Amino acid sequence: KAGVTQTPRYLIKTRGQQVTLSCSPISGHRSVSWYQQTPGQGLQFLFEYFSETQRNKGNFPGRFSGRQFSNSRSEMNVSTLELGDSALYLCASSLNTGGYEQYFGPGTRLTVT
Amino acid sequence: DQQVKQNSPSLSVQEGRISILNCDYTNSMFDYFLWYKKYPAEGPTFLISISSIKDKNEDGRFTVFLNKSAKHLSLHIVPSQPGDSAVYFCAASSEGYQKVTFGTGTKLQVIP
Repeated sequence: KAGVTQTPRYLIKTRGQQVTLSCSPISGHRSVSWYQQTPGQGLQFLFEYFSETQRNKGNFPGRFSGRQFSNSRSEMNVSTLELGDSALYLCASSLNTGGYEQYFGPGTRLTVT
Repeated sequence: DQQVKQNSPSLSVQEGRISILNCDYTNSMFDYFLWYKKYPAEGPTFLISISSIKDKNEDGRFTVFLNKSAKHLSLHIVPSQPGDSAVYFCAASSEGYQKVTFGTGTKLQVIP
């Protein structure tokens, strides 16, 4: 069974631009969560989607948004990029919602200059 | 508000010895705890978990201990191997809380 895939793997953007990241979960998994990882901050929860509905949201500004499609694939969008948005963005999928074992993709490394 | 804390950012252990990674939490609603391992340039990989109805769970060289009264859990790796060198994240969740909260990670280095 294929793992979680994320595209692109690396991205360089300038301040003020917007970016869209994509995540394809493991086949059959209906929950997709997004995390931001920065040095010293661990994994900060962004949001979770389950059956195309946002189930939970972390403490991030409204510039961060996401959606999930009927095939469970998910996209995350960040508008008006700031230097502080430079991070590794990780997507994780699980069979169901509820915060149990998650399977992570390799991440998208976003650099904002 | 860091509800899951890993106070040791790094740990060095000799190969063959025991590695003990610690994690504290503050939210009494948490009832399910997980450990993930992360290598550079890869996403975290699930390692082991424990429910709050247990105080110990073993899987090969990995054992997780939970002390609910102290709101503390630990991961023991015995014996430690160089391939265990990675960043270890502690995480917590609950059925009612729904989302997973991660700690900041502990970088383990196992010295051959």
